[in-house]
Amino acid sequence: SQTIHQWPATLVQPVGSPLSLECTVEGTSNPNLYWYRQAAGRGLQLLFYSVGIGQISSEVPQNLSASRPQDRQFILSSKKLLLSDSGFYLCAWSHGGLEAFFGQGTRLTVV
Amino acid sequence: AQSVTQLGSHVSVSEGALVLLRCNYSSSVPPYLFWYVQYPNQGLQLLLKYTTGATLVKGINGFEAEFKKSETSFHLTKPSAHMSDAAEYFCAVSESGNQFYFGTGTSLTVIP
Repeated sequence: SQTIHQWPATLVQPVGSPLSLECTVEGTSNPNLYWYRQAAGRGLQLLFYSVGIGQISSEVPQNLSASRPQDRQFILSSKKLLLSDSGFYLCAWSHGGLEAFFGQGTRLTVV
Repeated sequence: AQSVTQLGSHVSVSEGALVLLRCNYSSSVPPYLFWYVQYPNQGLQLLLKYTTGATLVKGINGFEAEFKKSETSFHLTKPSAHMSDAAEYFCAVSESGNQFYFGTGTSLTVIP
């Protein structure tokens, strides 16, 4: 069966520090991969999605970037965090848009 | 372009009462439609989905939703609310098969 791992579960980082959140998928190949951010009262905002290794589409220009170095690995990064980067970050995968499977999320607090 | 509108950011119902969470979408082609549930500090779990075929779809935990093309709606219902149904609910649409777009969510409170 397929599983998705996302870590860390919680993270507190100072303003201006770098960020690296990692997501890996097991039990499937060639998945579409997604990063979402959930801010209080604002639902889920699609940040990045990828249909293959090295292929990244950005939905919203911002202080973040994403990379897909391997088929089942998706990384969300920032060189310098802002206070506004705080939120709940969710990784997800799908095949053909039939269903998105989500990780357990990372609660990021920038202080 | 796709979009999802969930009417009512907060809904309260009494235990045993009908649950109705509203979702309207816009899409230029027949969409795939989803309802997800989220418990605090957790990821999203699929409740049900519509892709093709029967417009009334049944999901887990007694929930169901009906796809109404003429109304561009996909409302979520459950005949009798249970305390364990208290959570955040998200409606989502997928058109191209590569991207999912979510509504802003509805927080359901169940009153004992």
